Amino acid sequence: GAVVSQHPSWVICKSGTSVKIECRSLDFQATTMFWYRQFPKQSLMLMATSNEGSKATYEQGVEKDKFLINHASLTLSTLTVTSAHPEDSSFYICSVTSGGDSYEQYFGPGTRLTVT
Amino acid sequence: GQNIDQPTEMTATEGAIVQINCTYQTSGFNGLFWYQQHAGEAPTFLSYNVLDGLEEKGRFSSFLSRSKGYSYLLLKELQMKDSASYLCAALDSNYQLIWGAGTKLIIKP
Repeated sequence: GAVVSQHPSWVICKSGTSVKIECRSLDFQATTMFWYRQFPKQSLMLMATSNEGSKATYEQGVEKDKFLINHASLTLSTLTVTSAHPEDSSFYICSVTSGGDSYEQYFGPGTRLTVT
Repeated sequence: GQNIDQPTEMTATEGAIVQINCTYQTSGFNGLFWYQQHAGEAPTFLSYNVLDGLEEKGRFSSFLSRSKGYSYLLLKELQMKDSASYLCAALDSNYQLIWGAGTKLIIKP
């Protein structure tokens, strides 16, 4: 399976600041990456689908101007939480698919964001 | 609408067998995934079923009935490390994963 890394693994920031989270596919080129958010004791919520070289597709209810996604290369996608608020505190997880006939998603280790 | 249902929580005893059920309603269907997620960690892949029947992989097995919109994950010889949340996810006609809320499995000695 694919190896996916995320950085940072955890971050604490003050309300009003911006935070960038990186997702890297280490061993293959990922044309599609997914960004999820997970609140405590809840399931994964898909935020957006990121396609290399094009704009991300956001899920309903996710503010694209607040959660900026950049997928500039086949191995890197970034999620920037702008003007963070305490309610943005969550576990952010990225995943990739290897493409072709496989739809299995390989997940990064996640980034825990706490906004104070 | 699209919906995945699975129990919120289950409890089982170490060494025993437990079956976690999942029912789904999606617009189109291209397969069903089971993932394991330990607290504070990202999900890890367990199984993928697209055809009816049982797929066995070590202590874990997954079953699918497309006509019934039903799947289950069977865990045998339970170990304490199996305590985790188990997520059921169906792949819809757009090849998008629709996730269930997860079943928290508690293993007792």
